[in-house]
Amino acid sequence: NAGVMQNPRHLVRRRGQEARLRCSPMKGHSHVYWYRQLPEEGLKFMVYLQKENIIDESGMPKERFSAEFPKEGPSILRIQQVVRGDSAAYFCASSPRREEAFFGQGTRLTVV
Amino acid sequence: RKEVEQDPGPFNVPEGATVAFNCTYSNSASQSFFWYRQDCRKEPKLLMSVYSSGNEDGRFTAQLNRASQYISLLIRDSKLSDSATYLCVVHAGGTSYGKLTFGQGTILTVHP
Repeated sequence: NAGVMQNPRHLVRRRGQEARLRCSPMKGHSHVYWYRQLPEEGLKFMVYLQKENIIDESGMPKERFSAEFPKEGPSILRIQQVVRGDSAAYFCASSPRREEAFFGQGTRLTVV
Repeated sequence: RKEVEQDPGPFNVPEGATVAFNCTYSNSASQSFFWYRQDCRKEPKLLMSVYSSGNEDGRFTAQLNRASQYISLLIRDSKLSDSATYLCVVHAGGTSYGKLTFGQGTILTVHP
């Protein structure tokens, strides 16, 4: 049973470009969460999704950020018109229940 | 006040030492509590859940005091491999579903 798979592991984007981060949850897990970890800071919750539904997006920035978890395929975190402040590690976690989370290895986004 | 507060350390201890980490949380309605471990530039990994009755896993002991909103982690007989950042994590429960709140982490370095 593969763990939570995230890709790419590293992503470099120029300011103004779009970044797409993908997350495939563990088999049998229907809950997906995205977290962001800025340099030297703790993880911050961004969004919680189930298949085809956003359950809680209270941590998502109001602009430029969106997330989806379609019926088929991975969950996608999309950042439009990236800025330097978006540089961070983005972790996806999945869970068979509501609170026990297993994390992927993360995508390190660098905006140049 | 931060929702989950930890002493960031760093804690530098010799092999074989006993070290204790503390954490406080602000939401008295919080339901579930965890300690995660995060190695440098890696994903967080669940170390143990924390229960009011206290729980032990080998050299690790976790305690929860709901009245004081206080969580602790005790590591006995420290090993070099225990060097990592230890994250105190709280789940609010209720309709917050998958939202985990992380402390900023406590850095532990075990030296020979």
